[in-house]
Amino acid sequence: NAGVTQTPKFRVLKTGQSMTLLCAQDMNHEYMYWYRQDPGMGLRLIHYSVGEGTTAKGEVPDGYNVSRLKKQNFLLGLESAAPSQTSVYFCASSPGLYNEQFFGPGTRLTVL
Amino acid sequence: AQRVTQPEKLLSVFKGAPVELKCNYSYSGSPELFWYVQYSRQRLQLLLRHISRESIKGFTADLNKGETSFHLKKPFAQEEDSAMYYCALSGFLSGGYNKLIFGAGTRLAVHP
Repeated sequence: NAGVTQTPKFRVLKTGQSMTLLCAQDMNHEYMYWYRQDPGMGLRLIHYSVGEGTTAKGEVPDGYNVSRLKKQNFLLGLESAAPSQTSVYFCASSPGLYNEQFFGPGTRLTVL
Repeated sequence: AQRVTQPEKLLSVFKGAPVELKCNYSYSGSPELFWYVQYSRQRLQLLLRHISRESIKGFTADLNKGETSFHLKKPFAQEEDSAMYYCALSGFLSGGYNKLIFGAGTRLAVHP
Protein backbone atom coordinates (compact mmCIF):
# COMPACT_ATOMS: atom_id res chain seq x y z
CA ASN A 1 0.00 0.00 0.00
CA ALA A 2 1.24 3.45 -0.89
CA GLY A 3 -0.65 5.10 1.97
CA VAL A 4 -1.17 8.80 1.33
CA THR A 5 0.41 10.29 -1.76
CA GLN A 6 0.56 13.91 -2.92
CA THR A 7 1.11 15.41 -6.35
CA PRO A 8 3.18 17.45 -7.13
CA LYS A 9 6.07 17.47 -4.65
CA PHE A 10 7.25 20.95 -5.59
CA ARG A 11 5.72 23.84 -7.47
CA VAL A 12 6.56 27.46 -8.16
CA LEU A 13 3.72 29.79 -9.16
CA LYS A 14 3.46 33.41 -10.08
CA THR A 15 0.97 35.61 -8.25
CA GLY A 16 -2.47 35.17 -9.75
CA GLN A 17 -1.88 31.74 -11.25
CA SER A 18 -4.05 28.79 -10.31
CA MET A 19 -3.22 25.22 -9.49
CA THR A 20 -4.62 22.04 -7.97
CA LEU A 21 -2.89 19.79 -5.47
CA LEU A 22 -3.93 16.16 -5.52
CA CYS A 23 -4.07 13.89 -2.52
CA ALA A 24 -4.78 10.18 -2.85
CA GLN A 25 -5.11 7.47 -0.23
CA ASP A 26 -5.51 3.73 -0.67
CA MET A 27 -6.57 2.88 2.89
CA ASN A 28 -10.30 3.36 2.34
CA HIS A 29 -10.35 6.15 4.95
CA GLU A 30 -13.47 8.25 5.36
CA TYR A 31 -11.76 11.40 6.64
CA MET A 32 -9.29 13.47 4.68
CA TYR A 33 -7.61 16.75 5.55
CA TRP A 34 -5.48 19.50 4.06
CA TYR A 35 -3.00 21.36 6.27
CA ARG A 36 -0.42 24.02 5.68
CA GLN A 37 2.81 24.11 7.62
CA ASP A 38 4.53 27.41 8.27
CA PRO A 39 7.57 28.11 10.45
CA GLY A 40 6.63 28.84 14.04
CA MET A 41 2.96 28.08 13.45
CA GLY A 42 2.79 24.32 13.29
CA LEU A 43 0.18 22.75 11.05
CA ARG A 44 -3.06 24.57 10.43
CA LEU A 45 -6.15 22.92 9.00
CA ILE A 46 -7.33 24.41 5.70
CA HIS A 47 -10.26 22.18 4.75
CA TYR A 48 -11.36 18.69 5.56
CA SER A 49 -13.82 16.03 4.43
CA VAL A 50 -15.74 13.46 6.44
CA GLY A 51 -16.73 11.40 3.44
CA GLU A 52 -17.14 11.27 -0.31
CA GLY A 53 -18.97 14.33 -1.58
CA THR A 54 -18.52 16.33 1.65
CA THR A 55 -16.18 19.18 2.49
CA ALA A 56 -15.91 21.63 5.36
CA LYS A 57 -13.81 24.64 6.30
CA GLY A 58 -10.96 24.39 8.71
CA GLU A 59 -8.99 27.07 10.48
CA VAL A 60 -7.55 28.90 7.46
CA PRO A 61 -9.81 28.25 4.44
CA ASP A 62 -9.63 31.62 2.68
CA GLY A 63 -8.13 31.49 -0.80
CA TYR A 64 -8.56 27.71 -1.12
CA ASN A 65 -11.24 25.39 -2.44
CA VAL A 66 -11.52 21.63 -2.17
CA SER A 67 -13.41 18.76 -3.70
CA ARG A 68 -13.92 15.12 -2.75
CA LEU A 69 -15.64 13.55 -5.73
CA LYS A 70 -14.11 10.15 -5.04
CA LYS A 71 -13.48 8.65 -1.62
CA GLN A 72 -9.80 8.09 -2.29
CA ASN A 73 -9.03 11.59 -3.62
CA PHE A 74 -9.06 15.02 -2.02
CA LEU A 75 -8.17 17.99 -4.19
CA LEU A 76 -6.98 21.38 -2.98
CA GLY A 77 -7.31 24.28 -5.37
CA LEU A 78 -5.80 27.73 -5.42
CA GLU A 79 -7.77 29.93 -7.82
CA SER A 80 -5.50 32.97 -7.67
CA ALA A 81 -2.25 32.29 -5.85
CA ALA A 82 -0.79 34.90 -3.51
CA PRO A 83 2.70 35.08 -1.91
CA SER A 84 1.04 34.47 1.49
CA GLN A 85 0.19 30.99 0.25
CA THR A 86 3.84 30.05 0.04
CA SER A 87 3.99 27.07 2.38
CA VAL A 88 4.34 23.33 2.69
CA TYR A 89 1.00 21.59 2.23
CA PHE A 90 0.22 18.29 3.85
CA CYS A 91 -2.65 15.97 3.18
CA ALA A 92 -3.78 13.44 5.76
CA SER A 93 -6.42 10.77 6.14
CA SER A 94 -7.97 8.85 9.02
CA PRO A 95 -10.49 6.04 9.30
CA GLY A 96 -12.74 7.87 11.72
CA LEU A 97 -13.12 9.91 14.84
CA TYR A 98 -10.28 9.94 17.35
CA ASN A 99 -8.11 7.84 15.04
CA GLU A 100 -4.52 8.41 14.07
CA GLN A 101 -4.09 10.60 11.00
CA PHE A 102 -1.78 9.36 8.26
CA PHE A 103 0.13 12.04 6.43
CA GLY A 104 1.39 12.44 2.91
CA PRO A 105 4.96 13.56 2.12
CA GLY A 106 3.99 17.17 1.54
CA THR A 107 4.02 19.64 -1.34
CA ARG A 108 6.34 22.63 -1.21
CA LEU A 109 4.66 25.57 -2.92
CA THR A 110 6.33 28.88 -3.63
CA VAL A 111 4.32 31.82 -4.93
CA LEU A 112 6.42 34.62 -6.40
CA ALA B 1 -10.79 28.40 22.73
CA GLN B 2 -9.03 25.17 21.89
CA ARG B 3 -5.29 25.60 21.80
CA VAL B 4 -2.07 23.62 22.03
CA THR B 5 1.03 25.38 23.29
CA GLN B 6 4.59 24.15 22.92
CA PRO B 7 6.67 26.81 24.65
CA GLU B 8 10.06 25.76 23.29
CA LYS B 9 10.94 26.20 19.64
CA LEU B 10 14.26 24.41 20.09
CA LEU B 11 15.50 21.97 22.67
CA SER B 12 19.17 21.12 22.47
CA VAL B 13 20.65 18.28 24.56
CA PHE B 14 23.61 15.93 24.57
CA LYS B 15 23.33 12.22 23.87
CA GLY B 16 22.37 10.33 27.00
CA ALA B 17 20.74 13.31 28.69
CA PRO B 18 17.06 13.25 29.73
CA VAL B 19 14.58 14.99 27.47
CA GLU B 20 11.27 16.64 28.25
CA LEU B 21 9.28 18.35 25.50
CA LYS B 22 6.53 20.45 26.99
CA CYS B 23 2.95 20.59 25.79
CA ASN B 24 0.04 22.42 27.38
CA TYR B 25 -3.48 22.46 26.06
CA SER B 26 -6.71 24.33 26.42
CA TYR B 27 -9.88 22.37 25.80
CA SER B 28 -13.30 22.28 27.45
CA GLY B 29 -13.92 18.57 27.53
CA SER B 30 -12.01 15.31 27.40
CA PRO B 31 -9.48 15.56 24.62
CA GLU B 32 -7.52 12.92 22.85
CA LEU B 33 -3.83 13.89 22.84
CA PHE B 34 -1.07 12.86 20.48
CA TRP B 35 2.58 13.38 19.80
CA TYR B 36 3.59 13.42 16.15
CA VAL B 37 7.18 13.41 14.94
CA GLN B 38 8.76 14.54 11.70
CA TYR B 39 12.28 13.27 11.05
CA SER B 40 14.41 15.04 8.48
CA ARG B 41 13.03 14.52 4.96
CA GLN B 42 10.30 12.20 6.20
CA ARG B 43 6.58 12.63 6.53
CA LEU B 44 4.82 13.43 9.75
CA GLN B 45 3.98 10.28 11.71
CA LEU B 46 2.32 9.39 14.95
CA LEU B 47 4.72 8.79 17.82
CA LEU B 48 2.24 8.04 20.57
CA ARG B 49 -1.21 8.84 21.87
CA HIS B 50 -2.26 9.13 25.48
CA ILE B 51 -5.08 6.61 25.30
CA SER B 52 -2.73 3.78 24.40
CA ARG B 53 -0.43 4.44 27.38
CA GLU B 54 2.51 2.83 25.65
CA SER B 55 6.16 3.70 25.28
CA ILE B 56 7.43 4.21 21.75
CA LYS B 57 11.17 4.43 21.04
CA GLY B 58 11.68 5.02 24.75
CA PHE B 59 9.33 8.02 24.82
CA THR B 60 6.42 8.30 27.23
CA ALA B 61 3.82 10.99 27.80
CA ASP B 62 1.44 11.39 30.70
CA LEU B 63 -1.76 13.33 30.53
CA ASN B 64 -2.10 15.64 33.52
CA LYS B 65 -5.63 16.97 33.47
CA GLY B 66 -5.07 19.22 36.47
CA GLU B 67 -2.20 21.03 34.77
CA THR B 68 -3.65 20.47 31.27
CA SER B 69 -0.30 19.14 30.12
CA PHE B 70 0.95 16.25 28.02
CA HIS B 71 4.72 16.46 28.22
CA LEU B 72 6.86 14.03 26.22
CA LYS B 73 9.75 12.44 28.08
CA LYS B 74 12.69 10.17 27.42
CA PRO B 75 15.29 9.30 30.06
CA PHE B 76 18.26 9.00 27.69
CA ALA B 77 18.26 10.88 24.39
CA GLN B 78 19.78 9.36 21.27
CA GLU B 79 21.10 11.18 18.20
CA GLU B 80 18.40 9.55 16.07
CA ASP B 81 15.78 11.28 18.20
CA SER B 82 16.67 14.57 16.53
CA ALA B 83 13.48 15.70 14.80
CA MET B 84 10.56 18.08 14.91
CA TYR B 85 7.96 17.10 17.50
CA TYR B 86 4.35 18.26 17.42
CA CYS B 87 1.82 17.94 20.19
CA ALA B 88 -1.75 17.67 18.92
CA LEU B 89 -5.23 17.63 20.37
CA SER B 90 -8.31 16.00 18.94
CA GLY B 91 -11.84 16.41 20.05
CA PHE B 92 -15.35 17.38 19.16
CA LEU B 93 -14.89 20.96 18.12
CA SER B 94 -17.46 23.28 16.61
CA GLY B 95 -19.07 21.36 13.77
CA GLY B 96 -18.90 18.10 15.75
CA TYR B 97 -16.16 16.46 13.76
CA ASN B 98 -12.76 15.17 14.72
CA LYS B 99 -10.08 17.77 14.05
CA LEU B 100 -6.45 17.80 15.06
CA ILE B 101 -5.12 21.04 16.51
CA PHE B 102 -1.35 21.19 16.41
CA GLY B 103 1.10 23.08 18.51
CA ALA B 104 3.83 25.09 16.81
CA GLY B 105 6.32 22.29 17.27
CA THR B 106 9.61 21.83 19.10
CA ARG B 107 12.80 20.96 17.30
CA LEU B 108 14.86 18.49 19.32
CA ALA B 109 18.56 18.46 18.54
CA VAL B 110 20.61 15.72 20.18
CA HIS B 111 24.35 16.31 20.03
CA PRO B 112 27.02 13.59 20.29
